Amino acid sequence: RKEVEQDPGPFNVPEGATVAFNCTYSNSASQSFFWYRQDCRKEPKLLMSVYSSGNEDGRFTAQLNRASQYISLLIRDSKLSDSATYLCVVNMRGYQKVTFGTGTKLQVIP
Amino acid sequence: DAGITQSPRHKVTETGTPVTLRCHQTENHRYMYWYRQDPGHGLRLIHYSYGVKDTDKGEVSDGYSVSRSKTEDFLLTLESATSSQTSVYFCAISESAGSSISGANVLTFGAGSRLTVL
Repeated sequence: RKEVEQDPGPFNVPEGATVAFNCTYSNSASQSFFWYRQDCRKEPKLLMSVYSSGNEDGRFTAQLNRASQYISLLIRDSKLSDSATYLCVVNMRGYQKVTFGTGTKLQVIP
Repeated sequence: DAGITQSPRHKVTETGTPVTLRCHQTENHRYMYWYRQDPGHGLRLIHYSYGVKDTDKGEVSDGYSVSRSKTEDFLLTLESATSSQTSVYFCAISESAGSSISGANVLTFGAGSRLTVL
């Protein structure tokens, strides 16, 4: 089993739709969680950190479920500019080990 | 955006030749990393550095070496390039490692170096 698993997609959604991605992780000692966004042929960029209580940033909501060992990203009112690959990132506590998922590709269509 | 630059951005080379990729940062961050990204594998850590002359191996370090003689520069060297090292290489920096409430462990990436080994 991979340490961090994501559905590769692609998720093709119309503008204005709500879309959600999940990411599962295998190591229960994981402590920090992030979503990064990567545009085609560009570097990954931090979208948002994921906190235990869940957090929201505009149209984006991230949640953490420690019991089931997954994090989620919800995008409301999708825009064409949201088209990208979304990477799930998991970091273990007190140890420099950051594990990336392979990413979920989102395509927002007009 | 954090000041992090990679060079060269694109390189084509032949099997068996040495290649050095450079990462330069202006943020004075302690931690620097080299990742490679390949389809189906995501980003995989090659080597990282936690200070000047302090480096350690990542999960895919075979065939690669690194050096960090100054805080701002982290070099990745392929002593004898192979076709399996064709990839996109990303440098990243962070203020700290491990868990961080302040977000200091967030990685900031350079624009990437696309290497093709023929």
